[in-house]
Amino acid sequence: GAGVSQSPSNKVTEKGKDVELRCDPISGHTALYWYRQSLGQGLEFLIYFQGNSAPDKSGLPSDRFSAERTGGSVSTLTIQRTQQEDSAVYLCASSLAAGYQETQYFGPGTRLLVL
Amino acid sequence: AQTVTQSQPEMSVQEAETVTLSCTYDTSESDYYLFWYKQPPSRQMILVIRQEAYKQQNATENRFSVNFQKAAKSFSLKISDSQLGDAAMYFCAFAPFQVVQKLVFGQGTRLTINP
Repeated sequence: GAGVSQSPSNKVTEKGKDVELRCDPISGHTALYWYRQSLGQGLEFLIYFQGNSAPDKSGLPSDRFSAERTGGSVSTLTIQRTQQEDSAVYLCASSLAAGYQETQYFGPGTRLLVL
Repeated sequence: AQTVTQSQPEMSVQEAETVTLSCTYDTSESDYYLFWYKQPPSRQMILVIRQEAYKQQNATENRFSVNFQKAAKSFSLKISDSQLGDAAMYFCAFAPFQVVQKLVFGQGTRLTINP
């Protein structure tokens, strides 16, 4: 596609429910990244994928968070038993490869509100 | 752990004037990369400029330039001839050489352009 797309754009859920956030990277990009941006804060790195594997999951805040990527393309970030502190904008980015010289292209994010 | 600090939550500048956004960082690494990202209201992060720590020459991209002071761990962004389209949140980010995928972001500076 022309750019990184994310769905849904906005999600409102009740505390305790599970949510799935989707990211479609730019076609041909092998690296994919998830970040979280809490209100008034900078971005917090969550996880990145090189192909379908995630070499570093240390940024995931708790075991309620998980992510997968299939077919080297679409990725899903799942938050189980959501809490109010999970409310944030979740941003996805992709790059041609996983290296500093590879610009990360960001999607518009999913705004998650947990009531 | 690396930290990035942006001490100016908000800045404003008259159109066509020059503005400098400040960023300092803390790291024990000797090799790393620094970035400035722009986030307009659309929420999509856009790479503005990047700097490799081993390069002494300051990076420039058209109206955007940086003042990189490695010893002082300072990385400021100068925007010349400010335009209305420059209005956005600006984030400074750091990536260690060994794990360039894990960008560490500052809290951002909101830049307003006054016509």
